[in-house]
Amino acid sequence: SQQGEEDPQALSIQEGENATMNCSYKTSINNLQWYRQNSGRGLVHLILIRSNEREKHSGRLRVTLDTSKKSSSLLITASRAADTASYFCATASSGGSYIPTFGRGTSLIVHP
Amino acid sequence: DTAVSQTPKYLVTQMGNDKSIKCEQNLGHDTMYWYKQDSKKFLKIMFSYNNKELIINETVPNRFSPKSPDKAHLNLHINSLELGDSAVYFCASSQHRTGQAYGYTFGSGTRLTVV
Repeated sequence: SQQGEEDPQALSIQEGENATMNCSYKTSINNLQWYRQNSGRGLVHLILIRSNEREKHSGRLRVTLDTSKKSSSLLITASRAADTASYFCATASSGGSYIPTFGRGTSLIVHP
Repeated sequence: DTAVSQTPKYLVTQMGNDKSIKCEQNLGHDTMYWYKQDSKKFLKIMFSYNNKELIINETVPNRFSPKSPDKAHLNLHINSLELGDSAVYFCASSQHRTGQAYGYTFGSGTRLTVV
């Protein structure tokens, strides 16, 4: 099964700065999703982008998808200390069993 | 109202024991999943059920057996627990097996510690 991989593994920034995380995957997808996981908690769905979409916005979040490069990026603008969490991308492959697979996540720390 | 609830939240048990983790979703979703998250936060799919039918069964020891009595419930039974089974287990659900509409909704996890 394919697997998304996030980059960087860890990111440390100051409040107010922007945070960019990337996700790469291996095979054709139906959609790609980003999730946030606060320490000791479950994953929370942030945004879903379909394979025929190139960019999507939700509040301070901006997601891009480049299917030719098999990559996606998540941009968090004007970060806050409360954005401190791990961020995961998940891909649902097209065709077959639609196995939803996650990467290892990017650990984001936003310093107040 | 909790959308995906799993119990227990914490489980500490000795090697060789048999244990179960329960999961229920009240979202009316068709598909449910079990994921295992290791100490490095790597999330790995274990099983998926669509309308009570097993559709994904990754390479998981047969000591792990999922059971879905109805589409709102997916329980995980683990026999002969081993130290390497220690992890956080997450239940999730989606309206469609691609998570196309609204993605996947996760439970808060069960932290299993085998001693």
